[in-house]
Order: sequence, then structure tokens, then C-alpha cells
Amino acid sequence: QQPVQSPQAVILREGEDAVINCSSSKALYSVHWYRQKHGEAPVFLMILLKGGEQKGHEKISASFNEKKQQSSLYLTASQLSYSGTYFCGTLSGYALNFGKGTSLLVTP
Amino acid sequence: NAGVTQTPKFRVLKTGQSMTLLCAQDMNHEYMYWYRQDPGMGLRLIHYSVGEGTTAKGEVPDGYNVSRLKKQNFLLGLESAAPSQTSVYFCASSYSGVNYGYTFGSGTRLTVV
Repeated sequence: QQPVQSPQAVILREGEDAVINCSSSKALYSVHWYRQKHGEAPVFLMILLKGGEQKGHEKISASFNEKKQQSSLYLTASQLSYSGTYFCGTLSGYALNFGKGTSLLVTP
Repeated sequence: NAGVTQTPKFRVLKTGQSMTLLCAQDMNHEYMYWYRQDPGMGLRLIHYSVGEGTTAKGEVPDGYNVSRLKKQNFLLGLESAAPSQTSVYFCASSYSGVNYGYTFGSGTRLTVV
């Protein structure tokens, strides 16, 4: 089952903050976050593991609430380069199911 | 490092024709995946492989077949293309599939007329 993302779309001015949420009806052991720019491939941002360990390489933070089966991605002091579609992915067996995405547009 | 390479990048097929999409990775990853992306639908899993010689069905496997004869290659076949298979296809690979991120190829835009 696909995780559910909210909101579907966000428009920000440069420097503003945004939160993207991802929820699942199934127990979560890990959550992945990816960003896709228009016409390009999705790019891995980070993974959050059960127990609180976070692995990633971008200056974007996230939280993982195992009890609520939710994850949130926090984009602070947004830059123009943050524009794109953000996907969360949750494991189903050995592969990820992705949400439908959240479109983020950062304007000058 | 090339990462994940998909060929071809674009293709137009007539209904009923067949074709094979090739995915190659040079990172020695065990896990490989095929997804399709349609507007408003996100990425939907077609098939995946957890190692050389293995394949498994994903969420939307009908009309597709796959093979993983070599660890570095994962092929997606369409035996008889239908307009509903018009989509952007992404291949991805991962070191273990559980606690590691996916590396995606640049995609294949397929149009079936």
C-alpha cells in the first residue's frame, strides 16, 4: 500500500520553512525520502530507521514517529534549489512503495 | 562511476509491438527495481530482484516480464505493448534494499500509439 503524503503542493518564498508529512497504515521500520526535479530522476535524500538512526547527506532534517506510523520532512530557510517533488517511500517486503509526492515550489 | 544507466532514453512503439528496456549498474548492488511513473500516481513498482537469477512481482506487474541473468543488468520486457503502458520507466538499484538508499537511472520515456 502506498504511503499517504500531505500536502499535495506547497508554494514558498525563499527563506520560508515547509513541512511534508508521510503516513502509513502499516507498521514502519524505515522511511526513505527522495527529491525529483522536473524531467530528472529521483535523488535519495535520507533514510530514517526504527530506533531513531538517520542516514542522509542533505542539509534537510526529518523525524520518524514509529507509534504514529508517520514521518515528516523539514525544509528550513528554503532555497530556490529546494524546488521539486518530494517522495517518501516505505518498505513492503524487499522494495519501497512510494507516496504520490508533494510538489514544492520556492519562489524568489 | 556511471551509476545506473538506462537504455533507450526515448521510444515510440505501436500497439502490439514488443521491446526490452535495459538497466545496467556498476556499483555491485544486489537489489534492482523497475518503477513506472505516471502523472499524479507517484512511482509504482513493477518488478524487482534481490540478486542475480531472482525476480519478484511488484504492485503493477501485468504486461511486463523481467530477467536478471547478470548481477549488473536488469531487463524489463513488454511482449505486446498497449497504450496504457505509455509512461516514464525508472530503474533503481540498492546495496541491500533495506537500510540503504536507492540510486535511480535517468529514465526511459515510452509512448505506445
